[in-house]
Amino acid sequence: DVKVTQSSRYLVKRTGEKVFLECVQDMDHENMFWYRQDPGLGLRLIYFSYDVKMKEKGDIPEGYSVSREKKERFSLILESASTNQTSMYLCASNNGVYEQYFGPGTRLTVT
Amino acid sequence: AQSVTQLGSHVSVSEGALVLLRCNYSSSVPPYLFWYVQYPNQGLQLLLKYTSAATLVKGINGFEAEFKKSETSFHLTKPSAHMSDAAEYFCAVSPYGNNRLAFGKGNQVVVIP
Repeated sequence: DVKVTQSSRYLVKRTGEKVFLECVQDMDHENMFWYRQDPGLGLRLIYFSYDVKMKEKGDIPEGYSVSREKKERFSLILESASTNQTSMYLCASNNGVYEQYFGPGTRLTVT
Repeated sequence: AQSVTQLGSHVSVSEGALVLLRCNYSSSVPPYLFWYVQYPNQGLQLLLKYTSAATLVKGINGFEAEFKKSETSFHLTKPSAHMSDAAEYFCAVSPYGNNRLAFGKGNQVVVIP
């Protein structure tokens, strides 16, 4: 089975802190994605990567950056966390245009 | 740009009754279509997918969906709701040649005993 893991299930950070969210997949997938999920808004794509060291902006990249140094690992970085970044963050991976496989999510609270 | 419409953020259904969740997409080209389910405090799990084979697609847990090109729809159904079906359901679309997904805003399903 495909497994996508995220480093933390719950995270509490202070405003202005630098935050790292880590995602690892074990199926040698080319593509990896970061979404945020908010009530009533569904899932919105922040960034995605289609190869090591390659990245593309999604629909809401402002305030975020990403890093993909190894194929299996995709990191989301909040350079200076703000309260409006309190959300559920979901990582996913796939090959080609097929279904994406999701991790369990990280619920981030910024106070 | 692709968009996906799911009407009714909250859907209540009686145990044993039909579950019907509607999904419409905007696309000039028939896309790949997916339904995902999310149980509380978990990630998304694939229920079923349409990838241009049969228009009636069967998924896990007794769910199925029918692709109707003329209506640009991909509605999800289950004949008889079970308490364990209480979850949030998302419709998603991926156009050919594009590895991104566009998601609907989701339907929170509540099953009434």
